[in-house]
Amino acid sequence: GAVVSQHPSWVICKSGTSVKIECRSLDFQATTMFWYRQFPKQSLMLMATSNEGSKATYEQGVEKDKFLINHASLTLSTLTVTSAHPEDSSFYICSARPRGMVAGNTIYFGEGSWLTVV
Amino acid sequence: QKEVEQDPGPLSVPEGAIVSLNCTYSNSAFQYFMWYRQYSRKGPELLMYTYSSGNKEDGRFTAQVDKSSKYISLFIRDSQPSDSATYLCAMRVNTGGFKTIFGAGTRLFVKA
Repeated sequence: GAVVSQHPSWVICKSGTSVKIECRSLDFQATTMFWYRQFPKQSLMLMATSNEGSKATYEQGVEKDKFLINHASLTLSTLTVTSAHPEDSSFYICSARPRGMVAGNTIYFGEGSWLTVV
Repeated sequence: QKEVEQDPGPLSVPEGAIVSLNCTYSNSAFQYFMWYRQYSRKGPELLMYTYSSGNKEDGRFTAQVDKSSKYISLFIRDSQPSDSATYLCAMRVNTGGFKTIFGAGTRLFVKA
């Protein structure tokens, strides 16, 4: 089946630094990738939708300059948390829609990346 | 009032039971309705996606949307212990910017 890989699986960084999380579709091309955030025991929050070769579309209330998203190729999207603070500590998850699929059902999720800012 | 309300549970049922999971919402502009399954400390899995009122069936899962009542349901037939997970509803609207709201998730335990 289709696999979406996230790296790193977990990361600890110091407050004020930036951290990059990668999302790769391993055996398919993804024209659209989605980034979510989930706090412990809370629900998912969609942060942004990224389309290959164009700027990401952010959900209302998500800081574009804080969470930089790049979708440079059909198999890779990156989320950079800039000037991270402890309140940015969360579980970040990506998902990818295969090229050619328009229906919403065909979306594959990564395993998530745990970010802890100390 | 939250835009999407979902009972967090936990909901405990015996194996083989029919499970009913529900969400209500207040924004009549929501156009797309989704159900996700999430195992502990794992990324979620999209189970069902609908954009109209009525029923949609996929194997043991049936998604039901009632836009007039602003109510959606997910039914699981012949529940299995492997169905034990957190189920999240989500709703999306594409007017004036993208907006997707997730429910809090309902924890389901299916006992063997």
